[in-house]
Amino acid sequence: AQTVTQSQPEMSVQEAETVTLSCTYDTSESDYYLFWYKQPPSRQMILVIRQEAYKQQNATENRFSVNFQKAAKSFSLKISDSQLGDAAMYFCAYRRIRGGNTPLVFGKGTRLSVIA
Amino acid sequence: ETGVTQSPTHLIKTRGQQVTLRCSSQSGHNTVSWYQQALGQGPQFIFQYYREEENGRGNFPPRFSGLQFPNYSSELNVNALELDDSALYLCASEGGSNEQYFGPGTRLTVT
Repeated sequence: AQTVTQSQPEMSVQEAETVTLSCTYDTSESDYYLFWYKQPPSRQMILVIRQEAYKQQNATENRFSVNFQKAAKSFSLKISDSQLGDAAMYFCAYRRIRGGNTPLVFGKGTRLSVIA
Repeated sequence: ETGVTQSPTHLIKTRGQQVTLRCSSQSGHNTVSWYQQALGQGPQFIFQYYREEENGRGNFPPRFSGLQFPNYSSELNVNALELDDSALYLCASEGGSNEQYFGPGTRLTVT
């Protein structure tokens, strides 16, 4: 079974600084997707960034970028120029491609605080 | 906003009762998945429906059941509620982009 591990229960960052959230996963599949979701206090799970495993290039979405290391099964999220609105729970998630509409497998999350 | 809505927002039930949670997917999204998120945990997959048929199930007992309707709405039913069923229940719809769009969730408290 696939598992996702987020080893940092809590992180904090100064406003305008950069922070990196860690994620590792375990799978025997070669094709899959990886995601980072943000869950603010409003509870709505919002997709931050997505990475296809077959792509070597790391995904980037504005201030958010990932460092995808397939051999190491590592998928970290870097947030640059942190803003107060970035404060939230962040979840790393894995999705197998084989088999069609497969479910997301989530880590336990990292709570990010942004200090003004 | 994801275009996915859920009702009710909050719900309090007594152990042993039954509950129905509702989700309205984005128009055109034929797949809906339900997740349970216990306090301080990541969401856990309950089951998925595709075109009104159950299409996969996580490690949840049969007292968790669902329905999906042609109008892109769906239900999660839980019978014989237990205290451990207290959680945030999330639905997520998908239309073929390999991305799931989540609703705001229903917070269920079982006393």
